[in-house]
Order: sequence, then C-alpha cells, then structure tokens
Amino acid sequence: DIQMTQSPSSLSASVGDRVTFTCRASQSITNYLNWYQQKPGKAPKLLIYAASSLRSGVPSRFSGSASGTDFTFTITSLQPEDFATYYCQQGYSTPYTFGQGTKLEIK
Amino acid sequence: EVQLVESGGGLVQPGRSLRLSCTASGFTFGDYGMTWFRQAPGKGLEWVGFIRSKAYGATTEYAASVKGRFTISRDDSKSVVYLQMYSLKVEDTAVYYCGNNYGYNRADSWGQGTLVTVSS
Repeated sequence: DIQMTQSPSSLSASVGDRVTFTCRASQSITNYLNWYQQKPGKAPKLLIYAASSLRSGVPSRFSGSASGTDFTFTITSLQPEDFATYYCQQGYSTPYTFGQGTKLEIK
Repeated sequence: EVQLVESGGGLVQPGRSLRLSCTASGFTFGDYGMTWFRQAPGKGLEWVGFIRSKAYGATTEYAASVKGRFTISRDDSKSVVYLQMYSLKVEDTAVYYCGNNYGYNRADSWGQGTLVTVSS
C-alpha cells in the first residue's frame, strides 16, 4: 500500500496568514493527489484534485503543487472559515490512502 | 446540484450484519464509480472500497481491513449504492460516507454520513 505522510499534524495561524502543509507519498503517484477540508461534525469537501486543479466553486486562495512525491497545499490570506482539518489522498492505486490530516487552528 | 444521502446506520452487535445505502441525485449515476469511506470517532479518514460503473464491469475494490466481510453493489435504476457489512467488529464503529468517484479517483461530492456503532 502507498503511505501518505502529512506534516505538520497541527498548525496554529492567524486570520490573514499564509499557510503551507505538505504531503509525501511513499512511492510515485504522478499527480493523483487530492486535498479535502473537513470541519468538526461535517463531511469532507474536495478542494484540490490532480495535485493542483481547483475544484469548481472553491476560492482561489487555495492552491496545490507537486514536486516528485512531495505535494504542497497552500492557503493565502487565511479566512475564519478555513480553520479545519485538511487531508491529502492518493488516487493512484488502491487502497486510495489518506494522510493522517493537518489540523489548522486559530492562534 | 449533486446530493448523496446515506442511510441504514445504527447500533449492531459484534458478529452481526448491516446494510448501508447511499442514494444519489443530480448527476448521471450510472456513468460513475462510487466510493465508501469511514471515519472512526476522533480519527482520520479511511477509504473502505469502491465500485466502478457498469461500463467498467461494476467491479469492486476493498481495503484489506474489510475485504471478505464487506460487499459493495449498485442499482443504477434506483441511483443507489450499497455497502453490505458482515461479521461486524467493534473496530468497524465509524461514520460511513459515500462519495462519487470522478477523475483522479477523487470524491467530488460526499454524503452527510451515517453512524454505525458496533457494540454488545
């Protein structure tokens, strides 16, 4: 199975900050990497797919990039509604594993 | 608007069975694969398995943790995907979500989830 390792596991930031998380795959997944946002008690929401494609309707302050087996997720100018947990998921080969999540908290 | 609605969750004893349903609307259900996920209390997301569209044989894939105990099926005439769970274990306790499987095997939309509690 492909292991997905997210870092950090938690992050404190302020409204207006720029934040970056990373996700590393244990082997090549080309660009089969998706990012989801989950708020407490709610279902996850897709934000980014194919490593860097923004899902329709998702604000442009969210972005993703890839370099080999390392993937980066960035939020520019944090908004109050962005405080949540973020998960990466590889869609390259089954089982389509998730990272353990990065919890973004208000500083 | 895409809508996915799970149902069928509840309290069940270890070793028993339960069937979850996910009813879809707002997209051409038969053209897409469908995925089941779960999230144990206080834990991260886990991919459970998925079923391809009939164009791809409606074949299924499962996580090792559920293979041989869970079965995914679909009824395109009703736009429903099922998760039949057998021999349930305490560690199967989780909120179960369904999602539609789009390109890059992303779940573009998710249901609200249904809670399954396995306990004696």
